Amino acid sequence: QVQLQQWGAGLLKPSETLSLTCGVSGESFSFYYWSWIRQPPGKGLEWIGEVNDSGSSKYNPSLKSRVTISFDTSKNQVSLKLTSMTAADTAVYYCARGPRDCGSVACFSTFFDVWGRGTPVTVSS
Amino acid sequence: EIVLTQSPGTLSLSPGERATLSCRASQTVSSSSLAWYQQKRGQAPRLLIHGASSRATGIPDRFSGSGSGTDFALTISRLEPEDFAVYYCQQYGSSPRTFGQGTKVEIK
Repeated sequence: QVQLQQWGAGLLKPSETLSLTCGVSGESFSFYYWSWIRQPPGKGLEWIGEVNDSGSSKYNPSLKSRVTISFDTSKNQVSLKLTSMTAADTAVYYCARGPRDCGSVACFSTFFDVWGRGTPVTVSS
Repeated sequence: EIVLTQSPGTLSLSPGERATLSCRASQTVSSSSLAWYQQKRGQAPRLLIHGASSRATGIPDRFSGSGSGTDFALTISRLEPEDFAVYYCQQYGSSPRTFGQGTKVEIK
């Protein structure tokens, strides 16, 4: 059964860079998209971006200038980097797996069927 | 970007009652690419429904999804005590992927 384990620093100062890792066990990277999603305290969910098994990434335009999502197939890990953190970035950060849907021309990410437990991240001076 | 608006914000019901949650999209969601999630306090969301009406693995049949285009619904036929939670819809027909703001189902 696939499991997603997350780790990374949970307390940052303004302007620092968030670095989180999601380790995938029990499943291959192939045929899936791997996303990061965040949830500010008491609020809803925001998709940050995704990476596919070919290493191609796509980001939410609201965060695109600050975010990098990548994967390391040798370690079965997905990474998130978010630069220039502010208090507005305080949230629980989740990694999630999404089945891919392939049409005749291209493949796309879909829903999120497996989630990590989440990493609380606080930005405070 | 497709904006998803969920209603009502809070639904107060008793165990055994029927719950109907609405999710309305600002634009047509292509190919009924809509999912529903359940989130309990302190936990990650759990996938309930994908493709607007397909139950995810292990989800009880009291949960059902319906709709197409811009109007979607999640119905819980008879509320069990463990169903009181927050529910989110999410579209994956266009990028960026977006979520609704959530509907809280609370015990009356």
